[in-house]
Amino acid sequence: GQNIDQPTEMTATEGAIVQINCTYQTSGFNGLFWYQQHAGEAPTFLSYNVLDGLEEKGRFSSFLSRSKGYSYLLLKELQMKDSASYLCAVDQTGANNLFFGTGTRLTVIP
Amino acid sequence: EAQVTQNPRYLITVTGKKLTVTCSQNMNHEYMSWYRQDPGLGLRQIYYSMNVEVTDKGDVPEGYKVSRKEKRNFPLILESPSPNQTSLYFCASSSGQGGSGYTFGSGTRLTVV
Repeated sequence: GQNIDQPTEMTATEGAIVQINCTYQTSGFNGLFWYQQHAGEAPTFLSYNVLDGLEEKGRFSSFLSRSKGYSYLLLKELQMKDSASYLCAVDQTGANNLFFGTGTRLTVIP
Repeated sequence: EAQVTQNPRYLITVTGKKLTVTCSQNMNHEYMSWYRQDPGLGLRQIYYSMNVEVTDKGDVPEGYKVSRKEKRNFPLILESPSPNQTSLYFCASSSGQGGSGYTFGSGTRLTVV
């Protein structure tokens, strides 16, 4: 079967660092995506990993270990506007039929 | 502006009354997809298309139809809607180039009574 696991909810303090983990078991693997989704809005693309290692993009970084079926999204210098859901998704076939996890709702508190 | 446009944004309908949700993209993307999002279940893929006249089922295709007659348009058709199809629907498109990801439309909130 296929499965993506993420924590349901997380809370962190403004200015701090938070790590959101994602583990996956899918029928195929052609890359892992992270999306941000504010309540009532469309998901927006954050990052993509296809090789092992860390990809850094400003305050956001994403890490992938294919052998462990594991990824994390690291958010630094948290801001109130980072309160949102963060979705982990795997491209199983390279044809962009992304399989999504249920998402992690992050709440940033002052 | 590069975008994916869905219509309508909100729709309330009755069981059994056929409806179509339109989706159009202006980025000349080959890949398009429909997802539904439900609380606790996340985004689940309904159908996807890799090019004109090429479509395939996603994880939850039952009760839905799609067509891809032109590259820019990918309508979602509910021939006989039922209350369990009440959901938030997203259309998305992608160039398919490595790591480009999907661009999502603003969503259609459908209620079937």
